Amino acid sequence: ELKVEQNPLFLSMQEGKNYTIYCNYSTTSDRLYWYRQDPGKSLESLFVLLSNGAVKQEGRLMASLDTKARLSTLHITAAVHDLSATYFCAVITEQGGSQGNLIFGKGTKLSVKP
Amino acid sequence: KAGVTQTPRYLIKTRGQQVTLSCSPISGHRSVSWYQQTPGQGLQFLFEYFSETQRNKGNFPGRFSGRQFSNSRSEMNVSTLELGDSALYLCASTWTGGYGYTFGSGTRLTVV
Repeated sequence: ELKVEQNPLFLSMQEGKNYTIYCNYSTTSDRLYWYRQDPGKSLESLFVLLSNGAVKQEGRLMASLDTKARLSTLHITAAVHDLSATYFCAVITEQGGSQGNLIFGKGTKLSVKP
Repeated sequence: KAGVTQTPRYLIKTRGQQVTLSCSPISGHRSVSWYQQTPGQGLQFLFEYFSETQRNKGNFPGRFSGRQFSNSRSEMNVSTLELGDSALYLCASTWTGGYGYTFGSGTRLTVV
């Protein structure tokens, strides 16, 4: 059974600091996703990582994927208050060789304080 | 390009009632998936429909069912509602062979 673990689950940061969120998954998966969720809102897609060594950056967020270690990281550079949200990673299962469904981690609730 | 549309946005139902939620995918997307989000269990997969066929199903009781129409719109139904069914229900659409899942705004269901 595919499991996805994120840590930390809660993260309180000061503005201007850097930090990394980790996402481990238990079995092979083709793709890894990062989403952002603001309170009471839906999931906003941040990154889709498709291959080993993939790195994607958008603004102050950078995501990477190591499929051999089954690990993805979401690095936050010089945090600002607007980044306060819950961040989820998710991996795709396979169903008999075809695309399956997303398995989500529990999410990392990020709070950026002045 | 319109996004994924879910209706209604909010629902309050009484235990024992049934409810139907609707999801209209992005135009051209033929796959629709449903997820339940609760504070305790997080985001859990309910089922996925593709070309009017259920292709994949999560570990939920038979009270949870769904269907997809020829225009790719999907509905999910929950019968005999329980307090624990209170959740945010999200649907996501994707196109065949695509990588991205686009989520709708969700339906917040409260069972009292």
